[in-house]
Amino acid sequence: DVKVTQSSRYLVKRTGEKVFLECVQDMDHENMFWYRQDPGLGLRLIYFSYDVKMKEKGDIPEGYSVSREKKERFSLILESASTNQTSMYLCASSHQSAGNTGELFFGEGSRLTVL
Amino acid sequence: AQSVTQPDIHITVSEGASLELRCNYSYGATPYLFWYVQSPGQGLQLLLKYFSGDTLVQGIKGFEAEFKRSQSSFNLRKPSVHWSDAAEYFCAVGADSSASKIIFGSGTRLSIRP
Repeated sequence: DVKVTQSSRYLVKRTGEKVFLECVQDMDHENMFWYRQDPGLGLRLIYFSYDVKMKEKGDIPEGYSVSREKKERFSLILESASTNQTSMYLCASSHQSAGNTGELFFGEGSRLTVL
Repeated sequence: AQSVTQPDIHITVSEGASLELRCNYSYGATPYLFWYVQSPGQGLQLLLKYFSGDTLVQGIKGFEAEFKRSQSSFNLRKPSVHWSDAAEYFCAVGADSSASKIIFGSGTRLSIRP
């Protein structure tokens, strides 16, 4: 069964801490994404990557960075966490090909609380 | 730029009743349209999608959706809901199949009355 795994389901961090959210997929997908989910706002794209070592900004990249050193792994980094980054973070992946249907495969999410 | 509106924040229906969740989009050309479901504590799962062709699309779990260009709508329907359908439902619209250009609606939370 295809799988996107986010390493931490729940995290509690303090303001100013550096936070790493890890995501691994086993489907050999080229595309990987990080979304933020907040009540009433749906999903907003933070960053995405079409290939190893490449990244593109999404709609709300401020305060975040990403790393993609291997095809299967895409990390989201909060260099200095702030309370307004308290949220649910969702990782997703998709296949990139001529027959791509655009279907995103999501992890179960990482709920981050910044105190 | 495309946008998507889900006008209903929360809907409650009785088990066995029919369901329709509304989705309106804004986009100049024929959009790529999706419905995803998020069960409590889970990630999102694709229910169905529309790219072209037949405007009535069938999805998993007995759901269907109809693309109506004249109304800029892509409403999700199910003839008889089950308690396990309680979840949050997201409509999404894209300019193409590239997920970098997919915009999600704010979601509709569905509760089922026993």
